[in-house]
Amino acid sequence: DAGVTQSPTHLIKTRGQHVTLRCSPISGHKSVSWYQQVLGQGPQFIFQYYEKEERGRGNFPDRFSARQFPNYSSELNVNALLLGDSALYLCASSPNRAGGFLGNEQYFGPGTRLTVT
Amino acid sequence: ELKVEQNPLFLSMQEGKNYTIYCNYSTTSDRLYWYRQDPGKSLESLFVLLSNGAVKQEGRLMASLDTKARLSTLHITAAVHDLSATYFCAVAITSGTYKYIFGTGTRLKVLA
Repeated sequence: DAGVTQSPTHLIKTRGQHVTLRCSPISGHKSVSWYQQVLGQGPQFIFQYYEKEERGRGNFPDRFSARQFPNYSSELNVNALLLGDSALYLCASSPNRAGGFLGNEQYFGPGTRLTVT
Repeated sequence: ELKVEQNPLFLSMQEGKNYTIYCNYSTTSDRLYWYRQDPGKSLESLFVLLSNGAVKQEGRLMASLDTKARLSTLHITAAVHDLSATYFCAVAITSGTYKYIFGTGTRLKVLA
């Protein structure tokens, strides 16, 4: 079975631009979470979605938004990009309603490397 | 504010030696996760610990959870080079808005 897929793999944007990152969960998984990992640091939780509803949110500004589609795929949008948004963006999927929060494992995708110049 | 701290941040050890990585967290949670990350790669789930006293083992790695002390440990037995990676613990907060907090990470290098 295919794992979590993310697109694009790499992306270079200029400050002030907008970016959309995409994630397809493992087949049958209904929960998707997004994380930002700055080089040399641990992942920072951004959002968790289940059944198209936001179930969890980390401490990120309103420039960050996400949505989940009926097929459970998800998009992460970032507006007005800053240099500090340069990071690896990871998507994780989980089979259950509460995602990884009730003990079920999360399965991470390969990530999208975003560079803001 | 919830904090998840790992100790040590960097660990260089000889093959065959034993060592323990510590994960301390600052708020009540009974859900603790361990992950491995190789350079330039994504995260691989190692262990899910869901209750006080939980212990799980896989190969040369053993993880435990003490919810009263808000402490989890990842013990490495007879280290081999293939274990070289960065190890993260993570804590889930399920009261109110869900949050998922990763630790600072421990970069492990096993020397031949």
